Amino acid sequence: DIQMTQSPSSLSASVGDRVTITCRASQSITNHLNWYQQKPGKAPKLLIYAASTLQSGVPSRFGGSGSGTDFTLTISSLQPEDFATYYCQQSYTSPLCTFGQGTKLEIK
Amino acid sequence: EVQLVESGGGLVQPGGSLRLSCAASGFTFSHYEMNWVRQAPGTGLEWISYISGGGGATYYADSVKGRITVFRDNAKNSLHLQMNSLRAEDTAIYYCVRVGLPDMVYHFDYWGQGALVTVSS
Repeated sequence: DIQMTQSPSSLSASVGDRVTITCRASQSITNHLNWYQQKPGKAPKLLIYAASTLQSGVPSRFGGSGSGTDFTLTISSLQPEDFATYYCQQSYTSPLCTFGQGTKLEIK
Repeated sequence: EVQLVESGGGLVQPGGSLRLSCAASGFTFSHYEMNWVRQAPGTGLEWISYISGGGGATYYADSVKGRITVFRDNAKNSLHLQMNSLRAEDTAIYYCVRVGLPDMVYHFDYWGQGALVTVSS
């Protein structure tokens, strides 16, 4: 099974900050990496698929990069509505997919 | 507008059974692969089940294999998850999830609001 490890597990930041979250796969997954945002009490929402493709309607301050085993999600200028938990997901072995453990982004 | 609405959650005793349903609208249901993803309280996301558009192919996570069955009724635009031999560790919110178009890297583009299943005596 492919394991997905996110870092950090939690992060405190301020509005306007640039934030980077990392996701590492236990083996190469080429670009089969997706990112989701989840706010408390809500369902997850797709942000980025194929490592760097922004889902329609997602603000351009969100960006994704990486290939192989190392990936990053970057938020260029944090907005109040961005404080949430972020999950990466590998779909290289689809339909059997695995998620990272999540990164909780909190207000400093 | 794509909508996925789960129903059927509730409290069930250990060893009991429950069937979750997901009503889909706003898209041609039979054209899309579907999944169930769950989230135990205070924890992360766990994929548990997949079904192809026609319903002929299914896959399950090891944690639920042999205890759950996914099926769909394309005539009624509905997805179902039959859960048997439920355990306390099955307590979670269960999400009905659509797979994005097949010409792209496999991803989940729409999620339902979730149905809470609580397994407790």
